[in-house]
Amino acid sequence: EVQLVESGGGLVQPGRSLRLSCRASGFTFGDFAMSWVRQAPEKGLEWVGFIRSKAYGGTSEYAASVKGRFTISRDDSKSIANLQMDSLKTEDTAVYYCIRGAVTTWDWGQGTLVTVSS
Amino acid sequence: QSALTQPASVSGSPGQSITISCAGTGNDIGDFNSVSWSQQPPGKAPKLVIFDVSNRPSGVSDRFSGSKSDNTATLTISGLQAEDEADYYCSSYTTSSTLVFGGGTKLTVL
Repeated sequence: EVQLVESGGGLVQPGRSLRLSCRASGFTFGDFAMSWVRQAPEKGLEWVGFIRSKAYGGTSEYAASVKGRFTISRDDSKSIANLQMDSLKTEDTAVYYCIRGAVTTWDWGQGTLVTVSS
Repeated sequence: QSALTQPASVSGSPGQSITISCAGTGNDIGDFNSVSWSQQPPGKAPKLVIFDVSNRPSGVSDRFSGSKSDNTATLTISGLQAEDEADYYCSSYTTSSTLVFGGGTKLTVL
């Protein structure tokens, strides 16, 4: 059974940084791209970005709204994907979901809430 | 990249069929057979119900089906059940190597 468990969410002030982690199990982590999608309170889903598997270069793509501020990384030896969020803004407040896959969102974690507020 | 366009809400009675449309452009739905549909019950995380336009993941009911014509994808749910009540989101890969979601459709089972 695929399991994706996000951690690292919480309350943070505008302009500060936060790092989310996603611990994966139940599949060969290194074979898959990993994505992050967020959902602001009472709003729809917004794609944040993804990181390709090493077989496809391990490179990342990002939404325009986070490009230059957010960085996705992966540690295949630990089956962990990370989302480093810098220069946070109030509009980054959302539940952040970790996802197995990129073009197809195969499995979703339960999400972790990030609140950016002073 | 603008969001894909979905109706805000649809409704149907148990046993009926409903469709949800998802309109995109030639830079996303029109250029790729990579349309997915995800179901999000109230207070829960999304779950994939359709991938690559019309394929169902293992374990998803065959009451869910998908199709695509030009720049528009469609999700059909037949034999509506109370448990189908949820928000539904379409998504597509794009020519910019990004993913784009629709705004979401709230399905109410009357």
